[in-house]
Amino acid sequence: SAVISQKPSRDICQRGTSLTIQCQVDSQVTMMFWYRQQPGQSLTLIATANQGSEATYESGFVIDKFPISRPNLTFSTLTVSNMSPEDSSIYLCSVGPGVGTDTQYFGPGTRLTVL
Amino acid sequence: EDQVTQSPEALRLQEGESSSLNCSYTVSGLRGLFWYRQDPGKGPEFLFTLYSAGEEKEKERLKATLTKKESFLHITAPKPEDSATYLCAVHQSQGNLIFGKGTKLSVKP
Repeated sequence: SAVISQKPSRDICQRGTSLTIQCQVDSQVTMMFWYRQQPGQSLTLIATANQGSEATYESGFVIDKFPISRPNLTFSTLTVSNMSPEDSSIYLCSVGPGVGTDTQYFGPGTRLTVL
Repeated sequence: EDQVTQSPEALRLQEGESSSLNCSYTVSGLRGLFWYRQDPGKGPEFLFTLYSAGEEKEKERLKATLTKKESFLHITAPKPEDSATYLCAVHQSQGNLIFGKGTKLSVKP
């Protein structure tokens, strides 16, 4: 399974500012995903980030609010822009499925609090 | 509408008291069903993948089973370290993972 790291692990931000979350994988992967987990809720897919193409956003999420970069096969960033308290969540990076497996693996998450 | 429902929302067990968690789903074209464990402040940790009705997978005190409409995660003689939130997710043949809200398991010594 892939080893995934995220930075920062947590942050407290002021309303109206932006935060960029980094996701690093220890092997090359085709598909990377960004999820949001709001307090007491399950995981919701924000977007799929494939290297060399524009990210694909799920309903309710837009590029202006959550711009994503995928410069290579081991790295991606998610920016949460113009933050409000409603953006307080855990943001999770995920990779997979890979060759011969349908399994997705998750990073440790970034806990964001917006004041 | 594709949906994943987990029950119960929370489960409190005594150490050694076996039980089961349920994941029922309605999805067109099931490609796979996944169980994850999530500890507070951490990302989901992969446990099992099930692909077809009748399939079973085991890992230590956990056993996952699958029917055409639901999956069970059986916990045999749980220990306090099994306390976590257990997430179920289904993978549609033409879509992404759909997660349930999870079952929060607490095992008291």
